[in-house]
Amino acid sequence: EPEVTQTPSHQVTQMGQEVILRCVPISNHLYFYWYRQILGQKVEFLVSFYNNEISEKSEIFDDQFSVERPDGSNFTLKIRSTKLEDSAMYFCASSAGLAGVTGELFFGEGSRLTVL
Amino acid sequence: LAKTTQPISMDSYEGQEVNITCSHNNIATNDYITWYQQFPSQGPRFIIQGYKTKVTNEVASLFIPADRKSSTLSLPRVSLSDTAVYYCLVVSYGNNRLAFGKGNQVVVIP
Repeated sequence: EPEVTQTPSHQVTQMGQEVILRCVPISNHLYFYWYRQILGQKVEFLVSFYNNEISEKSEIFDDQFSVERPDGSNFTLKIRSTKLEDSAMYFCASSAGLAGVTGELFFGEGSRLTVL
Repeated sequence: LAKTTQPISMDSYEGQEVNITCSHNNIATNDYITWYQQFPSQGPRFIIQGYKTKVTNEVASLFIPADRKSSTLSLPRVSLSDTAVYYCLVVSYGNNRLAFGKGNQVVVIP
């Protein structure tokens, strides 16, 4: 079964550093997403991406964050000047259609970010 | 986005059928009801989606009454590996974000 893969599985960084989280979505999917989950809290939407541009973003996704699809397979989340409160599990997801049409997003295993 | 309300947690014995309820009183005409499952330290996994009446797949059944203000996810004959958090979401047609609530922690007991 095709799956979304994420790297690294765990990254530890110092406050103020930049991190890049990488994702390889399912190959024939057109919509890509980043979600995050702070330990013990809800899964939160960050951003959706379609046709090489952001289609929707939440209030969490401010100028500190950016996404990119540098080639035909990777989808990255960059977090600049990391803060302690950025520590969370970051999930990449992809879907063949709009979430509101198919409902089915395929999530990766997550990248755990720890900011010290 | 319509808000959903679920019990915080429930226990069930292995081999039993588990029914997980969700209320969504403010659901709109173009909203769908979607359920996800999440194991610890893993991403959510889609279970089932429906609009009205009953939907069944190889994993679960989803029952939605005529007023659509609630729904019930039914898991037949659960095993220990079904212990997870189950999320009920209301997704608007054409929308591209999922709004997860706190979910329902289901623990399957031997």
